[in-house]
Amino acid sequence: SQTIHQWPATLVQPVGSPLSLECTVEGTSNPNLYWYRQAAGRGLQLLFYSVGIGQISSEVPQNLSASRPQDRQFILSSKKLLLSDSGFYLCACLGQTRGEQYFGPGTRLTVT
Amino acid sequence: DAKTTQPNSMESNEEEPVHLPCNHSTISGTDYIHWYRQLPSQGPEYVIHGLTSNVNNRMASLAIAEDRKSSTLILHRATLRDAAVYYCILSGYNFGNEKLTFGTGTRLTIIP
Repeated sequence: SQTIHQWPATLVQPVGSPLSLECTVEGTSNPNLYWYRQAAGRGLQLLFYSVGIGQISSEVPQNLSASRPQDRQFILSSKKLLLSDSGFYLCACLGQTRGEQYFGPGTRLTVT
Repeated sequence: DAKTTQPNSMESNEEEPVHLPCNHSTISGTDYIHWYRQLPSQGPEYVIHGLTSNVNNRMASLAIAEDRKSSTLILHRATLRDAAVYYCILSGYNFGNEKLTFGTGTRLTIIP
């Protein structure tokens, strides 16, 4: 089965600073990949998904961007962080069974 | 996307069965019903999914109403490790291009 790695696990960044979160996947090839964000006490919000290298779809307008430079690498970036960017960021990939997504351990971002 | 309605919270005693309800009155004929759970400070974990028939796996059972306007996730014998937020999600998609919309779910508390 797939294994998803995310780093860093936690991050504290000042407002206006850049951001780069990385996600890598093992155990599968050409996976569909997803970035979600969970604000404190809220449900998960889908931010981006990718069906292949260089193919990114954005779900919500925001100051974040995503890139997929390699088959099993998915990167979430920002040029200037906002306070509202704080949250728990999760990377996921589509499993082999219909409806199944595997989630990584997440990155907890605090913007100060 | 069709929406789901779940109770905000539920409590259950350890070693007893738990029935978690979900209403989805606007479900379409092609929507699948998925259940995920999220333990504290972790990413969501796939539990089970179904379309029309009841489903069983090693984690839980999914009972789907005949009119498909509601479903129930059944944990047959709750343990303390089952304390989590449980999400009921609908997804109508072509396999390989799925997107999941998470609500706020039901927070399940297990009483020792």
